[in-house]
Amino acid sequence: DVKVTQSSRYLVKRTGEKVFLECVQDMDHENMFWYRQDPGLGLRLIYFSYDVKMKEKGDIPEGYSVSREKKERFSLILESASTNQTSMYLCASSSQDRVTEAFFGQGTRLTVV
Amino acid sequence: GIQVEQSPPDLILQEGANSTLRCNFSDSVNNLQWFHQNPWGQLINLFYIPSGTKQNGRLSATTVATERYSLLYISSSQTTDSGVYFCAVDFFFGNEKLTFGTGTRLTIIP
Repeated sequence: DVKVTQSSRYLVKRTGEKVFLECVQDMDHENMFWYRQDPGLGLRLIYFSYDVKMKEKGDIPEGYSVSREKKERFSLILESASTNQTSMYLCASSSQDRVTEAFFGQGTRLTVV
Repeated sequence: GIQVEQSPPDLILQEGANSTLRCNFSDSVNNLQWFHQNPWGQLINLFYIPSGTKQNGRLSATTVATERYSLLYISSSQTTDSGVYFCAVDFFFGNEKLTFGTGTRLTIIP
């Protein structure tokens, strides 16, 4: 079974803090994704990566950056957290053969106060 | 624009009942997935089904790509089936990105 693990289930951070959300997958997948999920807006793609050190902007990259130094790990960085970044963050991975067959982690519910 | 619409938005059923959830999409697709988001927020893969019919236990799914819809069937519902069901589509001209529907919230009452 594919396992995608996010480092935290719940996080509470202060406005202005630098926040790191970590995601690790164990299936040697080439592609990794970060989404955020908000009521009424559904899932929106923030960033994705199709290879180590490669990254592509998704639909809502503003206020975020990412890092992929190793194939199994994809980090989402909030440079200076703001209250409008309070959300559920979901990491996913997929193989090169089935790029859009995504497997998701358990989610991180981030609250910025 | 490209759209993925799910119906009904909410469904409340007694344990043991059967249900059908629908996903309509606006254009040709390479791929369609069904997910169940459990009450803790995790998205669980149910089916990878760009066309045809698949079954897994009490769940089955059918995608009719030519008519641009997919159906998810849940038989003999259990309380653990509660949660939100999403379909997600990789449109033919969508640059290999998933577009998610708005979801169907299913509540199974004991």
